[in-house]
Formats: sequence, structure tokens, C-alpha cells
Amino acid sequence: DTGVSQNPRHKITKRGQNVTFRCDPISEHNRLYWYRQTLGQGPEFLTYFQNEAQLEKSRLLSDRFSAERPKGSFSTLEIQRTEQGDSAMYLCASSFGGDVTDTQYFGPGTRLTVL
Amino acid sequence: GENVEQHPSTLSVQEGDSAVIKCTYSDSASNYFPWYKQELGKGPQLIIDIRSNVGEKKDQRIAVTLNKTAKHFSLHITETQPEDSAVYFCAYSGTYKYIFGTGTRLKVLA
Repeated sequence: DTGVSQNPRHKITKRGQNVTFRCDPISEHNRLYWYRQTLGQGPEFLTYFQNEAQLEKSRLLSDRFSAERPKGSFSTLEIQRTEQGDSAMYLCASSFGGDVTDTQYFGPGTRLTVL
Repeated sequence: GENVEQHPSTLSVQEGDSAVIKCTYSDSASNYFPWYKQELGKGPQLIIDIRSNVGEKKDQRIAVTLNKTAKHFSLHITETQPEDSAVYFCAYSGTYKYIFGTGTRLKVLA
């Protein structure tokens, strides 16, 4: 069990560019979550996968954001036409879905800076 | 609505003293209350959690209490050490997503 991993750890991009982040969950965890954390705030829920199915999307997730989890393993989060307001830490978490409220384990995050 | 208030926002204690962080939530359907510690540049790390059928849980120097009637839950850290310095987040959940507080920056002074 190596924990949740995220790549890249840091990303600096220019406004208008597209970026993609990857999350590798703890092996055999069937639930995967994306959160966004801005400076001085707690994480905010973005979206949730059970296996490969995306079951919930927050209203924070505009049309420029898309997440996938092919084959129910790793997940990617893509942001198109980035804006300065997208600058934040993007956190991925995973859990073993044996209960509705199971424990989520977080990765180290990807810090995005949009210039 | 989904909301959790966390206090204080910053807390400084002398090494060896106790620290208490309090949260108040709004959703009466919540049944799971985890606490996370986040160090600079790292993701949140679970330190203790409690479910709604329990009033108190302890793990070495860390304890959590839950008052479902008042919708309050608290984190207690005893015999604080410099390595306890970090930002602490409370959260609650009734389903799959967590609602987080705004965090408490704890500084343990040596």
C-alpha cells in the first residue's frame, strides 16, 4: 500500500492553456474523489467516482472541467482554457467503498498556478 | 445547508499544554466526523475519526468528542509537541462527500 499518488505535484501554466492531472488511488479502492483547496480554506468537493462511473459533480465543476476514470483505476482531471481563478491545490482521495461514509485517504495534491 | 464552522482559526500553545479545536455542523443527517492534519505542501492526513453512534474516541494523545444533539464535535490534543504544529481540519459526511471546516493553524511553541 503506497498511498494515493498525484502527478504532477506542481503545474504552472498560462491563462487559456489546457492542463491535465493524474491520480492513482490506493490499490483496490473502488471510490475516487477530487477536491479543490484554495489558500486558507478547507478542501471543497468536486466530483466522485465509484469504479469507472462518475456519480456526482459539484456545481463548482464548470464545463471547462472534465474528469475520467477509465477501467476504474487511475483518474484524470482536465481543465480547459484555464483562468486565473483556477489556481488552487487539486486533491485526490480514495476509499474502499464498503459503507456510504467510508474513510477517504488523500494524496499530496497538485498545485496549479495560472499566470 | 452544508456548512461547518471551525474555531479558532489560529491557536498557539506551549509545548506540553493541551489544544482544543471545536466544530459546529448544520446537517443533522451527518453520521461520520473525521479530523485531518495538513502540513505545508502536503495533502490532508487522517488523524482520528468518530461515528455518530459514539460520543468519544481516544487514540494516544488525541481524542474526539461528539455531541449530536448540539451538533458539536471537538478535537483534543494533550501533551502537545512541536511536530503537532500544522493546520487541522474537521469534516463531516452523511453520504460520500466530505464538508470541511476552514481549518485551525496550530503552533506549538518549544
